[in-house]
Amino acid sequence: DAGVIQSPRHEVTEMGQEVTLRCKPISGHNSLFWYRQTMMRGLELLIYFNNNVPIDDSGMPEDRFSAKMPNASFSTLKIQPSEPRDSAVYFCASSFDPGAGYTFGSGTRLTVV
Amino acid sequence: GIQVEQSPPDLILQEGANSTLRCNFSDSVNNLQWFHQNPWGQLINLFYIPSGTKQNGRLSATTVATERYSLLYISSSQTTDSGVYFCAAEGGGSYIPTFGRGTSLIVHP
Repeated sequence: DAGVIQSPRHEVTEMGQEVTLRCKPISGHNSLFWYRQTMMRGLELLIYFNNNVPIDDSGMPEDRFSAKMPNASFSTLKIQPSEPRDSAVYFCASSFDPGAGYTFGSGTRLTVV
Repeated sequence: GIQVEQSPPDLILQEGANSTLRCNFSDSVNNLQWFHQNPWGQLINLFYIPSGTKQNGRLSATTVATERYSLLYISSSQTTDSGVYFCAAEGGGSYIPTFGRGTSLIVHP
């Protein structure tokens, strides 16, 4: 099992550009989570999918953020337009069900200049 | 939602020492997880422990759900134990775990 796979590992972009982060969950896991980690706020849940359906997106900061899960093996988190305050490490995690143990991906370190 | 507090926020140890990290939560929990974030940023699930005690090598965890706390024990610490330890509690009517702010551990050789 390759675990949760995220890409890219690092992303540096200019303010105003569109950024797309990708995640492949563990096969058979039906819950997928996007988290953002910063020094100020710690780990924040952005959005949670169950069986490819967005269940809770109350953590999405604003309309510039959007997430999709077109099938059980792929999810994207898009920021358009990006701003310097979006700089953070973005993690994807999956689990067999919402309350089961999480497996995290390696994260994407986003820097917006 | 449920509140999760971890203590101490920072901990510095000499290699070989033992330590106990604490996680308090404000409501009854259905599930509790402990994670280790290594210095490279990777988050590794250590324990899934809604109640009782589990052991994995030098690490063990105990959750006393009725008293709303969980403990992570690290025995004979090694430099590779350095990093941040998070607990995440699911409860208080939510099915999504809430993460604490973590305990930052440095183990000196």
